[in-house]
Amino acid sequence: NAGVMQNPRHLVRRRGQEARLRCSPMKGHSHVYWYRQLPEEGLKFMVYLQKENIIDESGMPKERFSAEFPKEGPSILRIQQVVRGDSAAYFCASSPRSGGEGTEAFFGQGTRLTVV
Amino acid sequence: AQSVTQPDIHITVSEGASLELRCNYSYGATPYLFWYVQSPGQGLQLLLKYFSGDTLVQGIKGFEAEFKRSQSSFNLRKPSVHWSDAAEYFCAVGPPVQAGTALIFGKGTTLSVSS
Repeated sequence: NAGVMQNPRHLVRRRGQEARLRCSPMKGHSHVYWYRQLPEEGLKFMVYLQKENIIDESGMPKERFSAEFPKEGPSILRIQQVVRGDSAAYFCASSPRSGGEGTEAFFGQGTRLTVV
Repeated sequence: AQSVTQPDIHITVSEGASLELRCNYSYGATPYLFWYVQSPGQGLQLLLKYFSGDTLVQGIKGFEAEFKRSQSSFNLRKPSVHWSDAAEYFCAVGPPVQAGTALIFGKGTTLSVSS
């Protein structure tokens, strides 16, 4: 059973370009979370999705950022018109359920975005 | 407000010495508690978790943690540190039952191991 797969591992974008980060959850997991990690900081929650639904996007910047988790295929975190401040590691996590025992999240290796 | 505090930003211990990493939380109810480890350039690996029951939980790689409700703490311990334990450690809290709430992480403690 493969773990959470994120790609690309490293992504370099020029200011103003778009960044697309992909996350395939573990098999059987229908809950996906995206987190951002800035240098010297812990992980900050961005968005929580289930298949075809955004459940909680309270941690996501209101502009330029969007996320989806379609019925088929990976979850996508999209950042439009990137700026230098978007440079960070973006982690995806998945879990089989969202409440109660057994809801620990399994993390991918992350995508390290560098905006030049 | 819900929060996790890891008071120590950086700790250095000698190989073979014991280790304790501190974690305090503020949460409306008894949360689920986790410790994750992150090696440089890698993702997060779950070390251990506490949901209920015995307040002393055992994890992987010889780590253990003790939940103390009265102190709102969940400190991570290891009796004898190995050089390969050098990494960043994150404490996190999650909701007991409520669906759809993400984990809240501390800022992490970087562990260095000296020979």
